[in-house]
Amino acid sequence: GESVGLHLPTLSVQEGDNSIINCAYSNSASDYFIWYKQESGKGPQFIIDIRSNMDKRQGQRVTVLLNKTVKHLSLQIAATQPGDSAVYFCAENPNSGGSNYKLTFGKGTLLTVNP
Amino acid sequence: KAGVTQTPRYLIKTRGQQVTLSCSPISGHRSVSWYQQTPGQGLQFLFEYFSETQRNKGNFPGRFSGRQFSNSRSEMNVSTLELGDSALYLCASSLGGLANTGELFFGEGSRLTVL
Repeated sequence: GESVGLHLPTLSVQEGDNSIINCAYSNSASDYFIWYKQESGKGPQFIIDIRSNMDKRQGQRVTVLLNKTVKHLSLQIAATQPGDSAVYFCAENPNSGGSNYKLTFGKGTLLTVNP
Repeated sequence: KAGVTQTPRYLIKTRGQQVTLSCSPISGHRSVSWYQQTPGQGLQFLFEYFSETQRNKGNFPGRFSGRQFSNSRSEMNVSTLELGDSALYLCASSLGGLANTGELFFGEGSRLTVL
């Protein structure tokens, strides 16, 4: 599962490089997953989601990969830009079949993009 | 259209006091969720309201309560404040229907400091 320490995992990349942020989720019953981005002083912002019947989904410059066998989720950001610097959270919804908004969030990863 | 609005943005209270935070969801959204964000515990689900009814509840003590009004606006209340209640309280809204995508739209949060 996610780290429970006080320090966020960090990832530092150069502008233009691709970034990969990883997340281990805990509930094998979860069948809906979301990635959020949180910039300093702001609330989390939806990036991309994926259902458990898929193993890959692409958005604009972002790709989410899901490996249910090992309960692992990753977010790939292509051509990372300084504006991508933020904390990234994965979240799981164990009851996506119904109207349930009780998301479980990971601890987050701090992405720093160096110009 | 306007996003999720939370008030107040910042507030300072002392131990033992109580606090009420307000959230106005995106127009047309009927589900409002509340989350507590702290450096140590990350984002934790408090409760979710839909059509004035609490539909889901997290693992917080009874000092934490909430309600939703007929216009979907929501308030949360924390009584007998403790130092550990210092956190960013985030409100998120969503359409809330059965075709739930889990996409939550977050506000900027209310930063509570308990002295």
